[in-house]
Amino acid sequence: DIQMTQSPSSLSASVGDRVTITCRASQGVGEGLAWFQQKPGKAPKTLIYDVSSLYSGVPSKFSGSGAGTDFTLTISNLQPEDFATYYCQQYYAYPLTFGGGTKVEIK
Amino acid sequence: EVQLVESGGGLAQPGESLRISCAASGFTFSDHYMDWVRQAPGKGLEWVGRSRDKANRYTTEYAASVKGRFSVSRDDSKNSVYLQMNSLKTEDTAVYYCVRCVRLGIDYVPDPWGQGILVTVAS
Repeated sequence: DIQMTQSPSSLSASVGDRVTITCRASQGVGEGLAWFQQKPGKAPKTLIYDVSSLYSGVPSKFSGSGAGTDFTLTISNLQPEDFATYYCQQYYAYPLTFGGGTKVEIK
Repeated sequence: EVQLVESGGGLAQPGESLRISCAASGFTFSDHYMDWVRQAPGKGLEWVGRSRDKANRYTTEYAASVKGRFSVSRDDSKNSVYLQMNSLKTEDTAVYYCVRCVRLGIDYVPDPWGQGILVTVAS
């Protein structure tokens, strides 16, 4: 199985900050990498697919990049509604696997 | 509006079986892959399994942790997908999400997700 490792597991940031979350795969996943946002008690929402494609309706403050085994999610101009937990997922190979999550908290 | 509504969760004892369902509406169900993803209390997301569409002969894929115990099936006439869970273990306790998969880019993108349903396995 492909292991997905996210870092950091949590971070504190202020409104207006730019934050970057990293996801590393144990082997190459091509372009099969997505990012999700989950707020407490809610179902996840899709933000990014195919490494850098913005899902419909997702604001352009979210961006994804990377290649091979190393990927990043960047959130610009952090707003109160962006404080949540973020997960990466690889869909290059079965079984599909998620990273452990990164909780973005208010400083 | 796309809607996914899970049902059938609850309490089961270790070793027992349980079937949860997901009723879909607002889209052509038969054209879509469907996933199940779970989340243990206070933990991260874990992909459980997938049902492909009719064009792909309803084939399925599973996580290693549930392979041989869980099975995903669907009834396109009822716009529903099911997760049959056998030989349940305490570590199967989780909120189970039903997820539609959309063909985008190079593969299938999961969206949207149902509201989730809690399955508790305890004696």
